[in-house]
Amino acid sequence: SQQGEEDPQALSIQEGENATMNCSYKTSINNLQWYRQNSGRGLVHLILIRSNEREKHSGRLRVTLDTSKKSSSLLITASRAADTASYFCATGSYNNNDMRFGAGTRLTVKP
Amino acid sequence: SQTIHQWPATLVQPVGSPLSLECTVEGTSNPNLYWYRQAAGRGLQLLFYSVGIGQISSEVPQNLSASRPQDRQFILSSKKLLLSDSGFYLCAWSSGSRTEAFFGQGTRLTVV
Repeated sequence: SQQGEEDPQALSIQEGENATMNCSYKTSINNLQWYRQNSGRGLVHLILIRSNEREKHSGRLRVTLDTSKKSSSLLITASRAADTASYFCATGSYNNNDMRFGAGTRLTVKP
Repeated sequence: SQTIHQWPATLVQPVGSPLSLECTVEGTSNPNLYWYRQAAGRGLQLLFYSVGIGQISSEVPQNLSASRPQDRQFILSSKKLLLSDSGFYLCAWSSGSRTEAFFGQGTRLTVV
């Protein structure tokens, strides 16, 4: 079964705007990760945030984690057409080695 | 450096035929290995994961099975495919659930 739920399911913005995607999960986690998938391809890891961290940055990416609300957000600043892809969150647990993904957000950045 | 190979890239199989998808990892030892299925426009469903040779955890009861005959080889199989088995199958590896995962390029399976 899936662990995370992303929203919105789809997001369409203009180049240069910021894009915010959210992820909620149900169980206790050790870490939360964000991945990107171009159409018909494998997933590429973007960023990992640990349960004891609240915010993390990587280039134009900013991830926040609120373990009390069991939610995370991914912010892409100054978006580009090349950012068009699906974005997924995934959770890693303390107790086992499974890694579960949400349904994803389909981001379209219009040039 | 580590690499993951998954093949074939596309596959068209008739209903009732067997299936074997292979995934191999290079450049690391004792990886966690995963098989996911992705329906069109949907998220990833975890099918199987393995933390060692011969150790397989199944997430969803179905007519698929997985095996890990060698440390860096993960195989997804079926004896008789169903139409509902169509989808995009992804193999991945990680050093553990506390680290990032690396994905293969996927296999697009169409059961006709």
